[in-house]
Amino acid sequence: QSALTQPRSVSGSPGQSVTISCTGSNSDIGDSNSVSWYQQHPGKAPRLLISDVNKRPSGVPDRFSGSKSGNTASLTISGLQAEDEADFFCSSYAGRYIIIFGGGTKLTVL
Amino acid sequence: QVQLQESGPGLVKPSETLSLTCTVSGGAMTSYYWSWIRQSPGKGLEWIGHIFYSGSTNYNPSLKSRVTISVDTSKNQFSLELRSVTAADTAVHYCARHYTIYPAFDSWGQGALVTVSS
Repeated sequence: QSALTQPRSVSGSPGQSVTISCTGSNSDIGDSNSVSWYQQHPGKAPRLLISDVNKRPSGVPDRFSGSKSGNTASLTISGLQAEDEADFFCSSYAGRYIIIFGGGTKLTVL
Repeated sequence: QVQLQESGPGLVKPSETLSLTCTVSGGAMTSYYWSWIRQSPGKGLEWIGHIFYSGSTNYNPSLKSRVTISVDTSKNQFSLELRSVTAADTAVHYCARHYTIYPAFDSWGQGALVTVSS
């Protein structure tokens, strides 16, 4: 099971929208609705933003949304704010009780 | 609100065994899955494995031969053992909770850095 592929970095200005992609294969993202996204600020533990492709836990702003098409999942952040600057990781079920993560994307708010 | 806290030695010698414990407070362990996840310095996240409260386990195939995860619900704790460690096992280790076998880790510990060095 290979790690999921994410862009190393993305950037956007306050108020703009950015989308982070997470590409897998037919064996993981393509075969599962169990894709989640996490935000990690420096020195902190990750925080769950999205589960099951597009479900937001309580307390997560609706500026964060998730989607999936084929073997690629996406996280869109709208109305970008300075505090959104962080690392973002995707994760997927890969079958046979295995969980895999993406390599992470650093979001810079310009 | 449930809280998770990792504990254990911060330094382990090469070829020895890394041992960490996660203590769960503010909630029961029943009906949940409990995972260990690690993050090498400056790198991404890697799932090590999980245990159901009843004791059934699943491990990352790349680490399976060296890993054991156990649970003690009477103490509200679960533990990680990683044998025959090398410098490549140096990482921040997180414990995390998920409510199904799928990856939706809704609570995390603060993380424990374990360095493998002689």
